Amino acid sequence: SQTIHQWPATLVQPVGSPLSLECTVEGTSNPNLYWYRQAAGRGLQLLFYSVGIGQISSEVPQNLSASRPQDRQFILSSKKLLLSDSGFYLCAWSKKGQGSGELFFGEGSRLTVL
Amino acid sequence: AQSVTQLGSHVSVSEGALVLLRCNYSSSVPPYLFWYVQYPNQGLQLLLKYTTGATLVKGINGFEAEFKKSETSFHLTKPSAHMSDAAEYVCAVSVSGNTPLVFGKGTRLSVIA
Repeated sequence: SQTIHQWPATLVQPVGSPLSLECTVEGTSNPNLYWYRQAAGRGLQLLFYSVGIGQISSEVPQNLSASRPQDRQFILSSKKLLLSDSGFYLCAWSKKGQGSGELFFGEGSRLTVL
Repeated sequence: AQSVTQLGSHVSVSEGALVLLRCNYSSSVPPYLFWYVQYPNQGLQLLLKYTTGATLVKGINGFEAEFKKSETSFHLTKPSAHMSDAAEYVCAVSVSGNTPLVFGKGTRLSVIA
């Protein structure tokens, strides 16, 4: 069966510090991968999605970036965090092709920027 | 482009009462529809989904939803609320496996003893 792992679960960082959140998927190959951010009262905001290694689509201009160095690895980064980057970050994957696009989510990473 | 509207950011029901969470969607092509549940500080878990076929879909934990094309709705119901149902419920729509899901803003369900 497929599983998705996301870490760290909780992170407290000062403003201006770097960020790296990692996500890996097991049990499938060539998935679509996604990073979402969830802020209170605002729902899920799609940040990045990737259909393959090195292929990243950015949905929202900001100081965050994403990379996909391996087929089942997706990394969210920032060189300098802002207060507004605080939130709950979720990684997800979906199967390619003619399916419904159903997403399978990781457990999330709570980022607090102070 | 697709969109999802969830009426009511917060719904409160008594234990044992009917749960009704509303979701309306907009799509120019036949949609796939989803309900996810999220407990505090956890990821989203699929509750149920509509792809094709029967319009009444049954999910986990006694929840069900009915796809009504004429009303562009996919409301979530449960006959009798339980304390453990307290969570965030999020409706989503897609039109293919190659485009990202579009999510509603979510409805927080509280269950009162």
